[in-house]
Amino acid sequence: GAGVSQSPSNKVTEKGKDVELRCDPISGHTALYWYRQSLGQGLEFLIYFQGNSAPDKSGLPSDRFSAERTGGSVSTLTIQRTQQEDSAVYLCASSSGQGNQPQHFGDGTRLSIL
Amino acid sequence: AQKVTQAQTEISVVEKEDVTLDCVYETRDTTYYLFWYKQPPSGELVFLIRRNSFDEQNEISGRYSWNFQKSTSSFNFTITASQVVDSAVYFCALSEVRRGDYKLSFGAGTTVTVRA
Repeated sequence: GAGVSQSPSNKVTEKGKDVELRCDPISGHTALYWYRQSLGQGLEFLIYFQGNSAPDKSGLPSDRFSAERTGGSVSTLTIQRTQQEDSAVYLCASSSGQGNQPQHFGDGTRLSIL
Repeated sequence: AQKVTQAQTEISVVEKEDVTLDCVYETRDTTYYLFWYKQPPSGELVFLIRRNSFDEQNEISGRYSWNFQKSTSSFNFTITASQVVDSAVYFCALSEVRRGDYKLSFGAGTTVTVRA
């Protein structure tokens, strides 16, 4: 498709389980970002990829969170041993990598931890 | 420290009224970018407008206009002749060049409700 695609749209899981969230960016976009949106914290940056490298992981809240990107395209955000505070909408965005170009967002994955 | 402040939490207007959203930002960079995004009830963040720090010319795009003033670190956004479809949460965002990653720092958002 033409836009950023995220899957699944919704994920409900039990506390302590691992989850994987997927992002398929716009074709040709070298920069990929993960953000988290929650009621208490608003929109927060998690991690930035340029190609397959992640030069900025400063927003990952704990070592339970990790992400990778392969082939300069699809990215996976993994949360291990989920906690209730991980409940949020996880948004992925991509851009051409130039600062003045906007980031285009996917619809997000709504994660609920029971 | 909060880099982007949107002081208005909620705004409610009647259709055809103008709506102005305030945004104040904080940065030490001399080159940066400012954005406005819209998040309708469906949830997707939609890019609206962009402004470079070195260009203070204010513009109008359709029913949207913006007022960028470096002297007051403000980047206000106006919707002219609002419509019900404009009801959404609007986010102001800052992208700083210094780090080279252009990640966005968002404000808390302003919920706009346009009543018919």
